[in-house]
Amino acid sequence: GAGVSQSPSNKVTEKGKDVELRCDPISGHTALYWYRQSLGQGLEFLIYFQGNSAPDKSGLPSDRFSAERTGGSVSTLTIQRTQQEDSAVYLCASSAGRGNTEAFFGQGTRLTVV
Amino acid sequence: ILNVEQSPQSLHVQEGDSTNFTCSFPSSNFYALHWYRWETAKSPEALFVMTLNGDEKKKGRISATLNTKEGYSYLYIKGSQPEDSATYLCASLNDYKLSFGAGTTVTVRA
Repeated sequence: GAGVSQSPSNKVTEKGKDVELRCDPISGHTALYWYRQSLGQGLEFLIYFQGNSAPDKSGLPSDRFSAERTGGSVSTLTIQRTQQEDSAVYLCASSAGRGNTEAFFGQGTRLTVV
Repeated sequence: ILNVEQSPQSLHVQEGDSTNFTCSFPSSNFYALHWYRWETAKSPEALFVMTLNGDEKKKGRISATLNTKEGYSYLYIKGSQPEDSATYLCASLNDYKLSFGAGTTVTVRA
């Protein structure tokens, strides 16, 4: 695609339900990042995929969070048993290299847990 | 998780005035420093990617410098315009992980 695509753009879910957020990176980009921005906060790193290497999961806030990247392309971020503190904008970004090239961001998914 | 710090958190500048703000980052295992502009209701867009100590980059009225030895970068806006109002994010690439600062929010008053 022409840019990084994220879906859904908005998601309202009840506390305790599971949600899946999708990111479709720019074709050919080997690096993919997930970040989130909670209200009034900066960008918080969640997880990083680079090619076929094992992902860097050091930013995932709890074991309720998981992510996968199938075939080196589309990525899904899954949050199980959502809590109100999970409410945030979840941003996905991809880049062509190992970070010496700019990252391109999707429009984000605004998750609201009620 | 790396400590990338930006200051100030926010600033107001009169249209036509110039301004600058800083980003400090860990110098160990440093690979690159990114600057992004994040406008309301949009996604962040890259301004610069710098890798070498002493690098200076310019795009229109916006420029940036990099000091990798002491771990800081400056972003300059010359002759600020209302369209420069945005949050400016820096991100440090260390060990191939891009870690962002909290941003400097710039508001240009007409």
